[in-house]
Amino acid sequence: AQSVAQPEDQVNVAEGNPLTVKCTYSVSGNPYLFWYVQYPNRGLQFLLKYITGDNLVKGSYGFEAEFNKSQTSFHLKKPSALVSDSALYFCAVGRSGGGADGLTFGKGTHLIIQP
Amino acid sequence: NAGVTQTPKFQVLKTGQSMTLQCAQDMNHNSMYWYRQDPGMGLRLIYYSASEGTTDKGEVPNGYNVSRLNKREFSLRLESAAPSQTSVYFCASASVQGIQLSNEQFFGPGTRLTVL
Repeated sequence: AQSVAQPEDQVNVAEGNPLTVKCTYSVSGNPYLFWYVQYPNRGLQFLLKYITGDNLVKGSYGFEAEFNKSQTSFHLKKPSALVSDSALYFCAVGRSGGGADGLTFGKGTHLIIQP
Repeated sequence: NAGVTQTPKFQVLKTGQSMTLQCAQDMNHNSMYWYRQDPGMGLRLIYYSASEGTTDKGEVPNGYNVSRLNKREFSLRLESAAPSQTSVYFCASASVQGIQLSNEQFFGPGTRLTVL
């Protein structure tokens, strides 16, 4: 069965420093991978996705993610963190094949950017 | 273009009561989904509807029923609410071709449900 692991419950980064939020996955076949962000008392907002193509994916708000097939990872990165990036981040993978039957989410990582 | 809308935003129920959560999308998506979010557990899929007229169980379907009323609307019903169903419920929609998502899922703002 497919699964997603976000090994860090919380990541603390100083404003202006680079940030990384880690995600590893397990799925049979080619993965459909996603990152979403959730601000307090809000729904999920899409950041970026990997379906096929270049391993480095660029998304919203200056975020990017690198797909690494050999390490089964899809880490989220940003070169320079902003205080407004503080939120809850979820990595997700399609439940089977192309994800038409829904997504499996990681438990989420709280990102805290300190001024 | 409202995207995905959900009603109500908040609800408090007593154990054993029933209620229906409503979801509608205006993006002409063919697939719709219900998830629940619990602290430290991420989001878990309850039910989904790949197309109008079809519904299928997800990861945690027990205690829930769904109806795909038409292409726009997908409702989630709790027949006899239990405290374990206290959660935040999110509806999502997506465009799907065959077994593949055409793009990302779009999420509604959520319904915060408390069962006493």
